[in-house]
Amino acid sequence: GESVGLHLPTLSVQEGDNSIINCAYSNSASDYFIWYKQESGKGPQFIIDIRSNMDKRQGQRVTVLLNKTVKHLSLQIAATQPGDSAVYFCAERGQAGTALIFGKGTTLSVSS
Amino acid sequence: NAGVTQTPKFQVLKTGQSMTLQCAQDMNHNSMYWYRQDPGMGLRLIYYSASEGTTDKGEVPNGYNVSRLNKREFSLRLESAAPSQTSVYFCASSEGQRGYTFGSGTRLTVV
Repeated sequence: GESVGLHLPTLSVQEGDNSIINCAYSNSASDYFIWYKQESGKGPQFIIDIRSNMDKRQGQRVTVLLNKTVKHLSLQIAATQPGDSAVYFCAERGQAGTALIFGKGTTLSVSS
Repeated sequence: NAGVTQTPKFQVLKTGQSMTLQCAQDMNHNSMYWYRQDPGMGLRLIYYSASEGTTDKGEVPNGYNVSRLNKREFSLRLESAAPSQTSVYFCASSEGQRGYTFGSGTRLTVV
């Protein structure tokens, strides 16, 4: 698999590898975090979310990890496929009732 | 299931012209949002409406106005378009603490 220690705008992986996309968030009071996937010419689509009282949540082929100590969020994609190629955004909510704040995004490119 | 519908999908304006971007959702969500997306900037919040009858400024509200017409519809108006408002605009809606559902976007070019 391939991982990045800091947020990078692009990540290139081979089909079948595990991908790790990182995100640093800004507000230590944020209570809710989401990962979105955006394919070219489309709006962002929900992938997985996690609340601040959790440190890990798993979905189908995806896992989100939350480290509140260093305000870091990561998205792990298992067995990456060409259809996973897209821009991935993390988003945080500062407090209940406020709008999501989005990160700048990471472009994932999967080659077969 | 239409979800969030935005119109138009594409628009070219001349500097100084006005226009309204339309957004409608059929999920009975209380909250609606307008974001703009520029290369390398991610999505930035322009305005949002936590519930029918309320609107609040986001990160980049200057040059825009909004109207929450009813629970379903939330429009974004550019009174005097500027080239700096060339962007892709996304409308979204949400209910409670769930993630947002986004529309497919309006690609606006101001010349």
